[in-house]
Amino acid sequence: QVQLVQSGAEVKKPGSSVKVSCKASGGTFSSYSFSWVRQAPGQGLEWMGRIIPLLDITTYAQKFHGRVTITADKSTTTVYMEVSSLTSEDMAVYYCARDSGTYSGSYRTNWGQGTLVTVSS
Amino acid sequence: QSVLTQPPSASGTPGQRVTISCTGSSSNIGSNTVNWYQQLPGTAPKVLIYSDNQRPSGVPDRFSGSKSGTSASLAISGLQSEDEADYYCEALDDSLNGPVFGGGTKLTVL
Repeated sequence: QVQLVQSGAEVKKPGSSVKVSCKASGGTFSSYSFSWVRQAPGQGLEWMGRIIPLLDITTYAQKFHGRVTITADKSTTTVYMEVSSLTSEDMAVYYCARDSGTYSGSYRTNWGQGTLVTVSS
Repeated sequence: QSVLTQPPSASGTPGQRVTISCTGSSSNIGSNTVNWYQQLPGTAPKVLIYSDNQRPSGVPDRFSGSKSGTSASLAISGLQSEDEADYYCEALDDSLNGPVFGGGTKLTVL
């Protein structure tokens, strides 16, 4: 049974950065890609990007390109997502999800519990 | 403004059948498969339907998906109180090089 456990809630100041971790267990880490999806308060889901740990290949949504960095540590089966230059519009719950495969048309099979990021001065 | 369009709300009584629509374009639904997710209050989303009409193991057959052209639908038959949740459609968008979601539909069981 695949389990994704994310790091705890964060409170950040505008202009700073936040890095969220996602520890995967119970499956083959490198054979899949991992996506990050965020959900602003009362809003819908927004895909941010993904990484294929086996190849260390990342793909980002155009909106987040240059401001979001997704990395993976195969030795600890952990995926990371860092957002820089935070604004109030980045306040959201951030989810990591394991994809059904490594192809771009894969879907999200398993989800982490979510990490709330609050941006406040 | 979401790339995929869903009605913001839907409702039904226990035992009824309800459908939720998802409208896109030739760059997403028209050329790629559609997935549906259920998000119960305060929890992470869960995949309900993938590849237009496939159910993961453990998902009741009360849930079904279909697609025609640039639109897709999720149908829930034999509505139950525990189906009250937000539902999201998703599809790869070729022009955006990544998946896009609908704005979500809040289902209320009356």
